[in-house]
Amino acid sequence: TQLLEQSPQFLSIQEGENLTVYCNSSSVFSSLQWYRQEPGEGPVLLVTVVTGGEVKKLKRLTFQFGDARKDSSLHITAAQTGDTGLYLCAGVRKGAQKLVFGQGTRLTINP
Amino acid sequence: ETGVTQSPTHLIKTRGQQVTLRCSSQSGHNTVSWYQQALGQGPQFIFQYYREEENGRGNFPPRFSGLQFPNYSSELNVNALELDDSALYLCASSFVGIDEQFFGPGTRLTVL
Repeated sequence: TQLLEQSPQFLSIQEGENLTVYCNSSSVFSSLQWYRQEPGEGPVLLVTVVTGGEVKKLKRLTFQFGDARKDSSLHITAAQTGDTGLYLCAGVRKGAQKLVFGQGTRLTINP
Repeated sequence: ETGVTQSPTHLIKTRGQQVTLRCSSQSGHNTVSWYQQALGQGPQFIFQYYREEENGRGNFPPRFSGLQFPNYSSELNVNALELDDSALYLCASSFVGIDEQFFGPGTRLTVL
């Protein structure tokens, strides 16, 4: 059973379009991180959200943490080919030491 | 500031052999976590080390073991390798009590 469910698992869109990736759970997390991973490399941290309802922006990327701290979303505006990659959400439950990852969303932006 | 480094980059072993993977943590970090990432999956937590002791373990058998050294670097040892152990092994460093973890480039292990 996957503790964090990401959707969609695969997404292929044209450059310039907008998209949203979802990360859902029935568990409460003390924080949630979004990572981006290129083939053969380690995940690179994009953002951490810790407060329910929190919204963070990183250029064309907008991250939101759900009010109940059980879910999160990543919205990309005007996608570019350089946004192509594997996007992973990962949460930390209170008192735990580990990151729990979703299965990832493989994003392809076509020129 | 030096990031997380891992060695080797790639490794090929046969079933039954033993392997040691190495990780140097980011400067200023005192906690190291190891993750296994199978092809097409998200990383799975193996264990974490803090103050040279195991500080949490995921659902992995005892043949997965680790060490942390006084300089906070770490090793992951896997005995009696199985075909399913083929994966990308990721090391992440952090500061104790802080949720954010920073990953190294990984070691790609292939078991034949």
